[in-house]
Amino acid sequence: GAGVSQSPSNKVTEKGKDVELRCDPISGHTALYWYRQSLGQGLEFLIYFQGNSAPDKSGLPSDRFSAERTGGSVSTLTIQRTQQEDSAVYLCASSPGLAGGPLNTGELFFGEGSRLTVL
Amino acid sequence: QKEVEQNSGPLSVPEGAIASLNCTYSDRGSQSFFWYRQYSGKSPELIMFIYSNGDKEDGRFTAQLNKASQYVSLLIRDSQPSDSATYLCAVLYSSASKIIFGSGTRLSIRP
Repeated sequence: GAGVSQSPSNKVTEKGKDVELRCDPISGHTALYWYRQSLGQGLEFLIYFQGNSAPDKSGLPSDRFSAERTGGSVSTLTIQRTQQEDSAVYLCASSPGLAGGPLNTGELFFGEGSRLTVL
Repeated sequence: QKEVEQNSGPLSVPEGAIASLNCTYSDRGSQSFFWYRQYSGKSPELIMFIYSNGDKEDGRFTAQLNKASQYVSLLIRDSQPSDSATYLCAVLYSSASKIIFGSGTRLSIRP
């Protein structure tokens, strides 16, 4: 596709429910990043993938959060048993290669985000 | 200590003046530094990156890097109302390929 695509754009759920957020990166981009942005705050690093592998999961807030990537393309971020503090915009970004690698200046191309509201 | 620190602002600058945005980082081994602009309700977009000590200029924007002081700054000359946005400093973590963002500085250009 032309850009990074995220779905759903908006999701309202009840506390305790599970949610899945999807990210479809720019075709050919091997690196994929997930961030969380609460209202008026900066971007909180969650996880990144190189291909289907996630070398660094240190940013995932708790074991309720998990992410996977298949076929080196689409990624899914799953939040189980959602809590009100999970409410935020979840941003996905892709890049041609890992930041700092030979293919990449480090520029991240962001999707429009998935706004999650937990009631 | 946060990995990347910025003054949250808001920073108010008159139109036509120079806006100066600052960022400090904790990882001494970091080599790559980025400035992203984020308009309200939109996603961040890259405006500058810098790897070497000193200044890097691109149009009205100048990024400055001082690795010894672990300090990065962004200067915007001839500020325009369209420059009103949140500016996010980002740092490539030296021991991994993750990019860590600061909390952002909200800039407001007043006519």
